[in-house]
Amino acid sequence: GESVGLHLPTLSVQEGDNSIINCAYSNSASDYFIWYKQESGKGPQFIIDIRSNMDKRQGQRVTVLLNKTVKHLSLQIAATQPGDSAVYFCAEGDSGGSNYKLTFGKGTLLTVNP
Amino acid sequence: GAVVSQHPSWVICKSGTSVKIECRSLDFQATTMFWYRQFPKQSLMLMATSNEGSKATYEQGVEKDKFLINHASLTLSTLTVTSAHPEDSSFYICSANTDTGMRYEQYFGPGTRLTVT
Repeated sequence: GESVGLHLPTLSVQEGDNSIINCAYSNSASDYFIWYKQESGKGPQFIIDIRSNMDKRQGQRVTVLLNKTVKHLSLQIAATQPGDSAVYFCAEGDSGGSNYKLTFGKGTLLTVNP
Repeated sequence: GAVVSQHPSWVICKSGTSVKIECRSLDFQATTMFWYRQFPKQSLMLMATSNEGSKATYEQGVEKDKFLINHASLTLSTLTVTSAHPEDSSFYICSANTDTGMRYEQYFGPGTRLTVT
């Protein structure tokens, strides 16, 4: 059931600013990582992914950085817009495991102020 | 492409009854389907993984006799919550991946909100 007192990390930014969302992952064997966006009451939506043989990947207005040394992942959103307001999850997986399972991080609530 | 649907989108049931949730891949054949549960303000927790024609693999702590998964075809998986109790109230989300393209990318359904009274 729900844990009493559990709060999502939050990030509040002004429209037009850049946003940086961080994630620490746990499994040293993970070799693929995905960022998802989840709007209230909806399923997660793919944003961008990165394999462990890369340390940076860019998409449209988004950049993912991977630091395997400290097991850290970040998502940068350029020129943040109100439509970017959502919960963002990082997910990790080990292609050597079975069925390409994903383990999700805690999530960060991004609020964009107009 | 790669659209996953769920039905129903929300359901209210009485304690002790069973509820079935369907997950369909609409425009692709799903090699594997996954079922997650998400409580308010929390992350997605994987409940089980299923492959067509095989028994589902449940994560530790998930009761397989309570959460019955049937993966009848390459486009349909069902989750039945048996003898539901109020603590089973949650947001249930399915996803699917394919054996083409990025094998690890999961396409998510819109979720099903279950409320047990």
